[in-house]
Amino acid sequence: ETGVTQSPTHLIKTRGQQVTLRCSSQSGHNTVSWYQQALGQGPQFIFQYYREEENGRGNFPPRFSGLQFPNYSSELNVNALELDDSALYLCASSPSAEPGNEKLFFGSGTQLSVL
Amino acid sequence: SQQGEEDPQALSIQEGENATMNCSYKTSINNLQWYRQNSGRGLVHLILIRSNEREKHSGRLRVTLDTSKKSSSLLITASRAADTASYFCATGDVPGAQKLVFGQGTRLTINP
Repeated sequence: ETGVTQSPTHLIKTRGQQVTLRCSSQSGHNTVSWYQQALGQGPQFIFQYYREEENGRGNFPPRFSGLQFPNYSSELNVNALELDDSALYLCASSPSAEPGNEKLFFGSGTQLSVL
Repeated sequence: SQQGEEDPQALSIQEGENATMNCSYKTSINNLQWYRQNSGRGLVHLILIRSNEREKHSGRLRVTLDTSKKSSSLLITASRAADTASYFCATGDVPGAQKLVFGQGTRLTINP
């Protein structure tokens, strides 16, 4: 068990709606990233936050946005939901974005279903 | 897009046997990591190997890395029923970055 917690565990939304997923990093970790994992696929990197700033982004449209708070917890927001957004959303944290901290600690994920 | 390809996609062996999974990737890397995922939930980090390393061990796990062939293998010795899970390789190209590119995974089943 890592110390990364995500909420909610499951969520059902309708196409066009907006959703906010939450993540609490492991204690002492100031870097967080979000991944999307479609069924039967490996996770895909959405973006990374380090000290409240986005400092890396994958190939996802702007309707995927995030925030990192002073306590290093994080949110993932997705606007205008599409059916293809149905996936497991994983949050991961690490002690920092400095070299030597590449090992990620993942939460259990939020399963999002878009109907 | 997926960086790596894992082989095989699924593997079923008897308890006590060894399991070998392979991963290939396309671009230069700083590190390669292996993760385990049970029942589609969170990923658990198993081992990290850097681009200047060739082999690493951790308990029953042995990882090799061949940067000339852009490939890695994960060996699990003396498998147990609890090893049943999906295993993913992931590559990172920037030191310290959390951006990893994952393969599609190998589904490992250990039969009692």
